Amino acid sequence: AQTVTQSQPEMSVQEAETVTLSCTYDTSESDYYLFWYKQPPSRQMILVIRQEAYKQQNATENRFSVNFQKAAKSFSLKISDSQLGDAAMYFCAYDGAYGGSQGNLIFGKGTKLSVKP
Amino acid sequence: DAGVIQSPRHEVTEMGQEVTLRCKPISGHDYLFWYRQTMMRGLELLIYFNNNVPIDDSGMPEDRFSAKMPNASFSTLKIQPSEPRDSAVYFCASTGRGEAFFGQGTRLTVV
Repeated sequence: AQTVTQSQPEMSVQEAETVTLSCTYDTSESDYYLFWYKQPPSRQMILVIRQEAYKQQNATENRFSVNFQKAAKSFSLKISDSQLGDAAMYFCAYDGAYGGSQGNLIFGKGTKLSVKP
Repeated sequence: DAGVIQSPRHEVTEMGQEVTLRCKPISGHDYLFWYRQTMMRGLELLIYFNNNVPIDDSGMPEDRFSAKMPNASFSTLKIQPSEPRDSAVYFCASTGRGEAFFGQGTRLTVV
């Protein structure tokens, strides 16, 4: 069975600095999708970034980028120029590509990110 | 589009009562998912539908839980009878364009 592990329950970063959140996963599949979701105190789940396993290029979305290491089964999220609004729970998630739904997600336990002014 | 709409936002009920959570997915999305979020277990998939048909309900914890999707624009998750350990946030999500869109969730408290 696939698993997703986030080893950092909490992280803290100074405003305008860079922080990296870690995620590892386990799967025997060769094609799959990986996601980072943000959950602020409002409870809303917001997609931050998406990576397709067959694409070697790391995904980027403005200040957010990933370091995808397929062989190591590692998928870290880098947040550059951190802002107060980045404070939230961040969840790493895996979806096998076979289903085609990209919503059958296995989530890690999350990392709580605090941003200090 | 207004996004995925869940109701109610909050529900407090007494143990043994029936609880029904509702979800309206985004129009045109053909997958719908129900997730549960607790401190102990995190986010876990309960059931999902494709074109209104249940595909995988292996995450439904007990027979007390049931879900239906009578049409493309509406789904329900029912718990009968409810127990205190069912207290959690329940999310509905629908997928389109390679992304899962989540509703605001229903916080259920069973006392």
